Amino acid sequence: SQQGEEDPQALSIQEGENATMNCSYKTSINNLQWYRQNSGRGLVHLILIRSNEREKHSGRLRVTLDTSKKSSSLLITASRAADTASYFCDTNAGKSTFGDGTTLTVKP
Amino acid sequence: DTAVSQTPKYLVTQMGNDKSIKCEQNLGHDTMYWYKQDSKKFLKIMFSYNNKELIINETVPNRFSPKSPDKAHLNLHINSLELGDSAVYFCASSQQDVPDEKLFFGSGTQLSVL
Repeated sequence: SQQGEEDPQALSIQEGENATMNCSYKTSINNLQWYRQNSGRGLVHLILIRSNEREKHSGRLRVTLDTSKKSSSLLITASRAADTASYFCDTNAGKSTFGDGTTLTVKP
Repeated sequence: DTAVSQTPKYLVTQMGNDKSIKCEQNLGHDTMYWYKQDSKKFLKIMFSYNNKELIINETVPNRFSPKSPDKAHLNLHINSLELGDSAVYFCASSQQDVPDEKLFFGSGTQLSVL
């Protein structure tokens, strides 16, 4: 079964702009994780937020979690061309099928 | 040193053949996974092994048989390959039952069945 669902499916922005993508899920969670996938590569872990946390930062990444709405958002500030990738959320520590991700394109 | 390595990176074969993909992790993790990613980018979990024991077995044709000789290795053998098996297959590992359980992925094996 699929746990998280990302939106939008695709996002295109200019370098320097902020990018926001969202994740919705259906069941209660212990934590929620975001991963990045560059073209032709495996997923790389970005950040984990626990169910009792509302916001977390890591460098240019900011993640929020609203357990009442069963949703999370990932904000990438001051985007760079190197941020071009697909982004996935995971609510079940990898034990379920991932969604189809948000494909972010950052234009130089 | 590569944490999760899988071979081969590319695999081109004819329908009906049997092929294997190997995966090894040097992270000391106790759990390993196989995922299939098709052209629509969905990353579908196929199998998961914990300490060499099968713990997740999603609806996958029995032509797919995982084998875990030890907890650092999880190989995927596919019999009688079909066109629909063409996809990218990812191996991953994690350490279960820790607060920050996260996955480490291999770089993928692109399988093309002709």
